[in-house]
Amino acid sequence: EVQLLQSGGVLVQPGESLRLSCAASGFTFTAFAMSWIRQAPGKGLEWVAAVDGEQTYYADSVRGRFTISRDKSKNTLNLQVSRLRSDDTAIYYCAKMDGKLIENWWFDFWGRGTLVTVSS
Amino acid sequence: QSALTQPASVSGSPGQSITISCTGASTYNLVSWYQQHPGEAPQLMIYEGNERPSGISNRFSASQSGNTASLTISGLQAEDEADYYCCSNGGGLNWVFGGGTKLTVL
Repeated sequence: EVQLLQSGGVLVQPGESLRLSCAASGFTFTAFAMSWIRQAPGKGLEWVAAVDGEQTYYADSVRGRFTISRDKSKNTLNLQVSRLRSDDTAIYYCAKMDGKLIENWWFDFWGRGTLVTVSS
Repeated sequence: QSALTQPASVSGSPGQSITISCTGASTYNLVSWYQQHPGEAPQLMIYEGNERPSGISNRFSASQSGNTASLTISGLQAEDEADYYCCSNGGGLNWVFGGGTKLTVL
């Protein structure tokens, strides 16, 4: 059974940094791309970043401030976020990806999400 | 990256069929669809344009023609009330979600 376990919610101040984690089990972690997707309160879904092997991809809105990585020894997906702003306040979901062609990949399993609140 | 446009809301009565549209997808990229109940994580409902994952009811179907994708739910049930999102690769290897459609079962 695929499981994606995410760390608990956190409150941070503007300008601070944070690392989000997602522990994966039930599948070969290194064989699939992984993503982070966020959802601001009362808003829709926004794809943030993806990692496939050594390749990383970012949304324009976070490129340069967010870094996605995975720890293969711990089967863990990470998202390092820096210079946090109030508009980064959101639930951050990790998701496993699948598909034949990268252009048509989809998100087949999701974690329960981590609420990140950026406020002074 | 291109935007995906969905209607903000749709509604239907139990037993009826409804369709949610998603415009703006590239003709070369297949759309996936996600269901999200309040307070829960999204769930994959359709991938590669019209394929259903294991465990998803065959009341859910989808199609894609040109730059418009559609999700149809037949035999509407109370449990179908949720938010629905389409998603597609937006070009340049980034993924774009539609704004979401709130389905109300009357």
